[in-house]
Amino acid sequence: LAKTTQPISMDSYEGQEVNITCSHNNIATNDYITWYQQFPSQGPRFIIQGYKTKVTNEVASLFIPADRKSSTLSLPRVSLSDTAVYYCLVAPSSNTGKLIFGQGTTLQVKP
Amino acid sequence: DVKVTQSSRYLVKRTGEKVFLECVQDMDHENMFWYRQDPGLGLRLIYFSYDVKMKEKGDIPEGYSVSREKKERFSLILESASTNQTSMYLCASSYRNTGELFFGEGSRLTVL
Repeated sequence: LAKTTQPISMDSYEGQEVNITCSHNNIATNDYITWYQQFPSQGPRFIIQGYKTKVTNEVASLFIPADRKSSTLSLPRVSLSDTAVYYCLVAPSSNTGKLIFGQGTTLQVKP
Repeated sequence: DVKVTQSSRYLVKRTGEKVFLECVQDMDHENMFWYRQDPGLGLRLIYFSYDVKMKEKGDIPEGYSVSREKKERFSLILESASTNQTSMYLCASSYRNTGELFFGEGSRLTVL
């Protein structure tokens, strides 16, 4: 079971690019890496998922190096509304495997 | 859009009461999950189910049980609520174990 480690908190300013890195040293060959965003009093929301190299969607980019032992969520030009908790999740290939979240990174965007 | 609905947003119960938290999803997902969330501890998995009548323990199953009699419904049961079960409870579902979970809005339980 891949355990994930993320920074507890990060600060940024509006308009900056924010990169949040997640470490998952014992990721298995068929595991996928997924990121979630959570606002206060809401459930987490899926942002992006990847297996290797780079994935981009309208919200974020996800960079995964060749060894896949870490991944970086990149948020371009953040705004105040991006203030949230961001979770990294490694999804095991087995359908009966546990989906264990890490502690998440609280991102505070300042004006 | 996938909708995961949790029966109550806020509940207040007394120590020793039996508590039912209901979760319903409308996308025919195989997998359903119950997490609890506490400040500083992130999301912790209580139980999950990958099929009707199937259940697997998560990291913190003690004091909880679950029921999945129908594919769309996953219930979390606290047989005898205790104050240390005061928390936010989040239900989620997914198509198999893709890692793309859809969460409900959460149920905030207070046990007095």
